[in-house]
Amino acid sequence: QKEVEQNSGPLSVPEGAIASLNCTYSDRGSQSFFWYRQYSGKSPELIMFIYSNGDKEDGRFTAQLNKASQYVSLLIRDSQPSDSATYLCAVESNFGNEKLTFGTGTRLTIIP
Amino acid sequence: DTGVSQDPRHKITKRGQNVTFRCDPISEHNRLYWYRQTLGQGPEFLTYFQNEAQLEKSRLLSDRFSAERPKGSFSTLEIQRTEQGDSAMYLCASSIPEAFFGQGTRLTVV
Repeated sequence: QKEVEQNSGPLSVPEGAIASLNCTYSDRGSQSFFWYRQYSGKSPELIMFIYSNGDKEDGRFTAQLNKASQYVSLLIRDSQPSDSATYLCAVESNFGNEKLTFGTGTRLTIIP
Repeated sequence: DTGVSQDPRHKITKRGQNVTFRCDPISEHNRLYWYRQTLGQGPEFLTYFQNEAQLEKSRLLSDRFSAERPKGSFSTLEIQRTEQGDSAMYLCASSIPEAFFGQGTRLTVV
């Protein structure tokens, strides 16, 4: 089982709709969770991070964390063509291990 | 520029040659990470520095790879005797703890 799993997609969403991206992780001791956006040929760009169970909203983005289910998601409201990118979920474990473990990413396409 | 800077952006080298990449982190960040990313994959952890101390190395980091961070400032990643399998994007990130990535160095070994 991979440490961090994401549906590779591609996920296609009409412009203006809600895009939902999902991520599961295997290490129950994980403490910090991050979503990065990566455009083709570019480096990852931090969108949001979440540490506590529940929802965290930032503009059109909402991160949701459920530690009991080992599940984290990212919702993008009012999707725009500029949101078309690969979205990477990353997890930071505890026990003094401060590196991020990434999923393979979900490729999102917003259809005008 | 207050972001993470990497140099060079692109490097094409012949198999068997040595290459060295440089990363200048955000100045107030103590932690510096190196990741490698191949097409269709997420970044994979290579190594991590807290100031000048190299605290962890991935099993991906063979003996041909070495990283340094003298004086806790910039860092270098050297690959000796490059192989075609080393072709990838090499990403540097500095962290507080969320990681901010540099533009990356794309290595092509021919």
